[in-house]
Amino acid sequence: LAKTTQPISMDSYEGQEVNITCSHNNIATNDYITWYQQFPSQGPRFIIQGYKTKVTNEVASLFIPADRKSSTLSLPRVSLSDTAVYYCLVGRFNDYKLSFGAGTTVTVRA
Amino acid sequence: DAGVIQSPRHEVTEMGQEVTLRCKPISGHDYLFWYRQTMMRGLELLIYFNNNVPIDDSGMPEDRFSAKMPNASFSTLKIQPSEPRDSAVYFCASSHRGGGLDIQYFGAGTRLSVL
Repeated sequence: LAKTTQPISMDSYEGQEVNITCSHNNIATNDYITWYQQFPSQGPRFIIQGYKTKVTNEVASLFIPADRKSSTLSLPRVSLSDTAVYYCLVGRFNDYKLSFGAGTTVTVRA
Repeated sequence: DAGVIQSPRHEVTEMGQEVTLRCKPISGHDYLFWYRQTMMRGLELLIYFNNNVPIDDSGMPEDRFSAKMPNASFSTLKIQPSEPRDSAVYFCASSHRGGGLDIQYFGAGTRLSVL
C-alpha cells in the first residue's frame, strides 16, 4: 500500500475554501485516491474518489496532478458543520486492508 | 436502507467481563469489516469477511478477540475477557465488492469502556 502524508490539522473560517493536500509518492499505476470524512462520534464517510485530473461532486473536488504523487481535496465555502477529520487513502482493486492514517483535523470557526 | 447498524452504541463493563458487539451490514453487501479506533493508534482494521467467511484476521490484537458472521445480515465481535486497554470505539463497515476502489459504509460505532 502506498504511504500517504497529510497535514495533522488545518483551521479555517466559514465561507472560505479549504484545500487539503495529501502526498503519496509511491502511488502505483493501479491505485486510486479516496477521501473519507469523519465527524465526532460518527464513523468515516466516503467523500470522493479519483484516479487523475479532476473529480467533482456535490460535496468536494479532488485535484490530481499528472504525476499523481499528490492530491488535493478542496472543500468550497466551508461551514461550521464541515469541522471533521479528513482521511486520504490510496488503494487498488484488491486492497482490502485500507490504511486510514491519522487524517487531517479541519476546524472551521465562525 | 438504514445503513450499517451497530449495537450497543455505548458499553461500560468491568475488567474480566465478556463483551459482545453487534453489527448489521447493509443488505446486499458482500464484505464486512471490523475496525477499532483509539487516539493513540487511529483507525485499525481488525478483521474482514467476504460472503460471511473470515478472510483476514491479522489485525485482531490477541486471542481474547473473536469475530463471527453467522449469516449475511449479522456479525459479532467478542472480547473475552475484556481489559482496560480494550477501551476504544469499535466500528463495523460494509461494502459491496470490497477492495480499495469500493466505498465502505460505516456504522455509528460502539464506544467501549472497560473499567
